[in-house]
Amino acid sequence: DAGVTQSPTHLIKTRGQQVTLRCSPKSGHDTVSWYQQALGQGPQFIFQYYEEEERQRGNFPDRFSGHQFPNYSSELNVNALLLGDSALYLCASTPSSGEEKLFFGSGTQLSVL
Amino acid sequence: AQSVTQPDIHITVSEGASLELRCNYSYGATPYLFWYVQSPGQGLQLLLKYFSGDTLVQGIKGFEAEFKRSQSSFNLRKPSVHWSDAAEYFCAVAPRWDNAGNMLTFGGGTRLMVKP
Repeated sequence: DAGVTQSPTHLIKTRGQQVTLRCSPKSGHDTVSWYQQALGQGPQFIFQYYEEEERQRGNFPDRFSGHQFPNYSSELNVNALLLGDSALYLCASTPSSGEEKLFFGSGTQLSVL
Repeated sequence: AQSVTQPDIHITVSEGASLELRCNYSYGATPYLFWYVQSPGQGLQLLLKYFSGDTLVQGIKGFEAEFKRSQSSFNLRKPSVHWSDAAEYFCAVAPRWDNAGNMLTFGGGTRLMVKP
């Protein structure tokens, strides 16, 4: 049983570009969350998707957007990249009922030059 | 809004020694409490969680944590540290865990180093 898988593992972009990160949740999980972890800091909640809708959103600008597909996989899009967007982006999944914990993927390391 | 404070940025202990990592939270009610561990280049692995009931909770890898409502604390402990425990540890809180969402707020983390 595969856990949470994220792609790509690493990514290098330049300022002003756009990026799309992908996440496949753990089997049986229908809720996907995205977190940003800057170097030396704890993860910060970006948003959560359930039933293809954004259910909760953290304090991130509209440049950060997402999508959830019918198979529960998800994408995180960031437009007009800034140097400060360089971070590890973590995806986490959980079932909508039952297990009360988040399962995290290994993340996508984004570097903005 | 809830917040989480981990006062110790770095901690170094000798292998075999006991360990306590501190976590304080700020929230009006009792939140859902978690401890996660992160090894270099890896995602986060759940060590233990507290939702209600017995205030001393047992987790994986020999870790335990105690919820103290009066101190708004949820400290992580281990009686004897192994070299493989060297990692970054994060305390996290969630105000709710239901169909309206389950957003986690993380502390800044404590980096644990283990001396041989």
